[in-house]
Amino acid sequence: QAQLLQSGSELKKPGASVRVSCKASGYRFTDYGIHWLRQAPGQGLDWMGWINTNVGNPSYAQAFRGRFVFSLDKSVSTAYLQISSLRSEDTAVYFCATEVPYYFDSWGQGTLVTVSS
Amino acid sequence: DFQVTQSPPSLSASVGDSVTITCRSSQSISTYLNWYQQKPGKAPKLLISSASNLQSSVPARFSGGGSGTDFTLTIDGLQPEDFATYYCQQSYGTPYTFGQGTRVEV
Repeated sequence: QAQLLQSGSELKKPGASVRVSCKASGYRFTDYGIHWLRQAPGQGLDWMGWINTNVGNPSYAQAFRGRFVFSLDKSVSTAYLQISSLRSEDTAVYFCATEVPYYFDSWGQGTLVTVSS
Repeated sequence: DFQVTQSPPSLSASVGDSVTITCRSSQSISTYLNWYQQKPGKAPKLLISSASNLQSSVPARFSGGGSGTDFTLTIDGLQPEDFATYYCQQSYGTPYTFGQGTRVEV
């Protein structure tokens, strides 16, 4: 059974950067891509993009190009989301999820990122 | 992009009721439509994949149907643990998109 464990909540000031981790266990890491999703407070789910865990190439939704970077460390079966130049509107819960074609099968527990001065 | 529109945004129901949530895509997506349940403070949970495939751990009171542009999620005999927010999601093409959610409340 695939499990994804995300890093803890973060409180950051505007302009700072943050890195969220997503550690996979219970399956071969390279079997499934890792997707990232955002949920702003009281809002729905936005798909941010995904990273191919075999070759490491990321793909971003239009709204998440520029300040958002997906990366991997295969040696520890972990995916990362880095957000730079944080703004108040980045305040949200960020989820990682595995995609078994064509649905999100396993989800991390979510990481709350709060951006506030 | 394939937009999906979910309705209603919220509904009130009682234990034992049957409720139906609809999801409409802006273009045909065959059966590349999934349904998730989300409870406050938790990650979404997959209920139904490919429009009508019930996940193994999900009770049979949940069912999904449809193809092309129109889809439904039905809960037949609401239980207390079913009060939550439900989302549809198209996986026909990227960017993957979600409906706006339907909050099922007492």
